[in-house]
Amino acid sequence: AQSVTQPDIHITVSEGASLELRCNYSYGATPYLFWYVQSPGQGLQLLLKYFSGDTLVQGIKGFEAEFKRSQSSFNLRKPSVHWSDAAEYFCAVGVLRNTGGFKTIFGAGTRLFVKA
Amino acid sequence: GAGVSQTPSNKVTEKGKYVELRCDPISGHTALYWYRQSLGQGPEFLIYFQGTGAADDSGLPNDRFFAVRPEGSVSTLKIQRTERGDSAVYLCASSLTDRGNTIYFGEGSWLTVV
Repeated sequence: AQSVTQPDIHITVSEGASLELRCNYSYGATPYLFWYVQSPGQGLQLLLKYFSGDTLVQGIKGFEAEFKRSQSSFNLRKPSVHWSDAAEYFCAVGVLRNTGGFKTIFGAGTRLFVKA
Repeated sequence: GAGVSQTPSNKVTEKGKYVELRCDPISGHTALYWYRQSLGQGPEFLIYFQGTGAADDSGLPNDRFFAVRPEGSVSTLKIQRTERGDSAVYLCASSLTDRGNTIYFGEGSWLTVV
């Protein structure tokens, strides 16, 4: 079955430090991969997505993610974290149906804390 | 509309009652998704529509849950005989199609069953 694993329930980084959030997926075909961010009291917002092509994907707010097929991973990175990045981050995989459409399956999330 | 709109934003109901949650997607979006998010968890897929039909309802937990989208726009998630375990945030999302377009989420309907 398709699944997404985010091994870290929460991570704390200092403002200005680099960040890497881990994501592993289980899916039999070429995956469609996503990272979403959810701030308190707000809806989910798409940070970036990978469908094909270059395995290093750039997103909004200075985030990037790298797809590594051999490791079934899609880790999210940011070189310098800002206090406003404190939020919950969700990795997700698009599960393709035989009609060509797909639904999105989410991981359990990683809560990011940023300390001054 | 400008974004995905969900009503009510908060609902408290008694165990055993019937509840309806409404989602108004972005205008022109043909795909509409329902998710449930419990505290400390990621969104759990329930059902999605492409147009008026339910393309995939494999995530509905049991037959107390039902969703409709009769005209291919607004959708209603219906929960019968609510249980305390149904308490969660119910998220709706829409996208232009179900073929990889960006999915936009509403802010959710917080359901509390007491």
